[in-house]
This record gives sequence, structure tokens and C-alpha cells, in this order.
Amino acid sequence: GQQLNQSPQSMFIQEGEDVSMNCTSSSIFNTWLWYKQDPGEGPVLLIALYKAGELTSNGRLTAQFGITRKDSFLNISASIPSDVGIYFCAGKDNTNAGKSTFGDGTTLTVKP
Amino acid sequence: DAGVIQSPRHEVTEMGQEVTLRCKPISGHDYLFWYRQTMMRGLELLIYFNNNVPIDDSGMPEDRFSAKMPNASFSTLKIQPSEPRDSAVYFCASSLRRQSYEQYFGPGTRLTVT
Repeated sequence: GQQLNQSPQSMFIQEGEDVSMNCTSSSIFNTWLWYKQDPGEGPVLLIALYKAGELTSNGRLTAQFGITRKDSFLNISASIPSDVGIYFCAGKDNTNAGKSTFGDGTTLTVKP
Repeated sequence: DAGVIQSPRHEVTEMGQEVTLRCKPISGHDYLFWYRQTMMRGLELLIYFNNNVPIDDSGMPEDRFSAKMPNASFSTLKIQPSEPRDSAVYFCASSLRRQSYEQYFGPGTRLTVT
């Protein structure tokens, strides 16, 4: 089956630093999605990417859909304490309509 | 607009008891997903529905788990009998095909089986 490798597994950074995380897949995806999960809550969609090479920003967040369609990255600039949480990537291909494959998540800790 | 609604938010039960988790998807969404999240296994897809019909239940751990969607606005996940290893946070999510399947998650139900 499809597998997503998300890295790093965890990050400990200082407030104000930039953050970068990525996902790689063993197969091609047509859609990449990035979610954030705050402690005690469900994941919330941050950014959706639909075309290879697409670069999309949402405030301090920037995500890109890799040209090979097998990878995606998420950058966070000038991190703040409320960026703490678990970030998940998810990918979707043309099969299994509706179903996305989720990565294992990157846990981000921001030290004030 | 109301998001995905799950109930209860917390459930504590004894081993062997039946547990029913409930979900109301976002109105108009035609896909509904049930996930389980644990520290060890991360976020696992258990089952998903399209237009109230189960499409893929390959993630359901065993026969003790069952899910139904009697109509477009309600779904249940039932565990009978429950076991301590079922302790986890269970999420329901819904999506709309026209929005390329972007999923909207509920707040989750934290289940503890003692």
C-alpha cells in the first residue's frame, strides 16, 4: 500500500526560528494536504495543494507540491509559541476516491 | 457554520462494556471518515463512507468494531465488547468531493477502557 514518510519526527526550536518539514511518498499523489493538530483537538487543514510544482502560502506558512508528485514540504517562518502542535501531511491519488494517506506527523515544540 | 460534531468528548468504561461513539458531519459533505489516534500507531483510518455507503473498512481492527451511517447527518462507531487496548482518541472527519476531499475533523472522543 501507499506509504508516507514524514520528517523530522519532532523538532525543538526557539521562538523566531524558521521551520521546515517534509513528506515523501512511495507513489504519486494528485493532492497534498497539510494539517495541524493542537493538543486535545482534531487536525485542522492548513494548506491544500493540487498541482505539481504549486507553491502556496497561508500567512507564515508556505507549502509546495513537489515536481515529481512524490513529495511536499511545509515551511513556517518566524515561529511563535502557538505554532506548537503536530503537523500532518496527507496525500491523495486517483484510486480509493475520497481517502487520503496520512503521514505519522511532526511534533513541533517552540521555546519562548 | 457548525463543524463536525462528535459525542461524547470523553468516555470511560470498563472492559467488556459496549461503547458507542457518535458523529454528525458537516451538512452537505458526502464523505465521512472514522480515525483512531494513539501514541504508538499514530492516526489510523478505520472506515470511510461515501453517500452513507461504507467504501473501505479494511482498517477496522476486528469484528468487535462496527460502524453505521443510517443517514447523511449521522454515523456511529460501536465497540462491543470493549478492551483496554481500544483506549485511544477517535476522530470523525467529513469532506466534500467538489473540494478535492479536504477533510474536516471533529474534536474527537477520548476513550478510556479500564
